[in-house]
Amino acid sequence: DAKTTQPPSMDCAEGRAANLPCNHSTISGNEYVYWYRQIHSQGPQYIIHGLKNNETNEMASLIITEDRKSSTLILPHATLRDTAVYYCIVYNYGQNFVFGPGTRLSVLP
Amino acid sequence: DVKVTQSSRYLVKRTGEKVFLECVQDMDHENMFWYRQDPGLGLRLIYFSYDVKMKEKGDIPEGYSVSREKKERFSLILESASTNQTSMYLCASSQTGPGETQYFGPGTRLLVL
Repeated sequence: DAKTTQPPSMDCAEGRAANLPCNHSTISGNEYVYWYRQIHSQGPQYIIHGLKNNETNEMASLIITEDRKSSTLILPHATLRDTAVYYCIVYNYGQNFVFGPGTRLSVLP
Repeated sequence: DVKVTQSSRYLVKRTGEKVFLECVQDMDHENMFWYRQDPGLGLRLIYFSYDVKMKEKGDIPEGYSVSREKKERFSLILESASTNQTSMYLCASSQTGPGETQYFGPGTRLLVL
């Protein structure tokens, strides 16, 4: 079973920031938070991951709360091509990735 | 960039046929994985491998086998395809270590008639 909870769907206006929440209240101290996305009929694409600190790369930012029980993926300027299912995964070395149902993000023109 | 390729994007086979799905990665990753993805069920792990000639069962190995003769190549075998194996098959690879990231191939959509 997935260790994360995400809303099933969200809408975002093109050009606006998309903020995708994830709850992982049972996360343990050495587990990472990973984000992937999957555009229709393609393989999942890695976006970003973090342990405790906030992270940023060319695709997105990851904000992890101080107690690490939740996180938010931020796409700063969403485009139509960001329409996808976004998966939040809690993972540690030696475990297997468990993909839950994710959040279906629709970016609207 | 990490590249994971799969031998076919679409495949149509008949019940009872032996099916080979090939996956190749070019980043010298130790770990390779096979998943299947079905609507409403998410991604489920079939088999994985942490080294050449090594394999481990995932959550749903029944009806499948795998082969890893070379580090860069991981094959999924359906010995006798059945209609309930119609699915999207995804291969992934990763480096060993804490916080390792899995990189996925484009997927093979298999239809068993």
